[in-house]
Amino acid sequence: KQEVTQIPAALSVPEGENLVLNCSFTDSAIYNLQWFRQDPGKGLTSLLLIQSSQREQTSGRLNASLDKSSGRSTLYIAASQPGDSATYLCAVNQANDYKLSFGAGTTVTVRA
Amino acid sequence: DAMVIQNPRYQVTQFGKPVTLSCSQTLNHNVMYWYQQKSSQAPKLLFHYYDKDFNNEADTPDNFQSRRPNTSFCFLDIRSPGLGDAAMYLCATSRGQSNEKLFFGSGTQLSVL
Repeated sequence: KQEVTQIPAALSVPEGENLVLNCSFTDSAIYNLQWFRQDPGKGLTSLLLIQSSQREQTSGRLNASLDKSSGRSTLYIAASQPGDSATYLCAVNQANDYKLSFGAGTTVTVRA
Repeated sequence: DAMVIQNPRYQVTQFGKPVTLSCSQTLNHNVMYWYQQKSSQAPKLLFHYYDKDFNNEADTPDNFQSRRPNTSFCFLDIRSPGLGDAAMYLCATSRGQSNEKLFFGSGTQLSVL
C-alpha cells in the first residue's frame, strides 16, 4: 500500500524567504505526482503535475522536483509572500490504479 | 468561472438525519470522485464514477451512497450521519481514470449535531 508522508506538518517563515516542502512515498511505481494548495475551509487547487518520466516542473515562482527512485519530491516556492500561506498537499497517482494517495499536507505561514 | 461546483458550502444536519451533498461540473469529464477530509488529515477517497460505472472503496461505510444521474452531476448521500461523519467532503473530476490532473470543487463542510 502506498504511503505518502509530508514533513514538517507546519512551517513558518518570514516574507521573502524561499520555501522548501518535502514529500516522500513508499512505492516508486507511479504515473505522476501532483502538488495541491488548500486554503482553510476550501477545496484543493492543483499547482503542478510531474509525470513519472520527468525530473521537474516549473510554474512561476513554483518549482517541483521528482526523484522517483528514492521516492521523493520537493516543492520550492521562491521569494515567499503572505498570500502563499496555505496547506500544501502532495499526491501520487499509482501505476495501474486510478487512485491518488495523498499526504496530510504541510501548513505554511508566511509572516509579513 | 468555477468548473466543479459543490452545494451547499456548509451543511448542518442532525444525528441520523439523511443528508445529500451535490456536485456539478462544466468540464465534461468522464470521472467524478468523492473524498472525505477530516481536519489536518489527508483526503480519503470514498468512491468514484467512470462514466456510469460506480467504484466503491473497500473501506467506505455502507452509510455512504452515491448517484450520478448524468455526466454533469454527482450526489453523495449519507443515510444516517453520525458524529464521526462530520468532515469536509470534496468532489473532484478528471478526464480519464489514470495519469490525469484532478480538478476539485470548493468542498462542503458537514457538521453533525
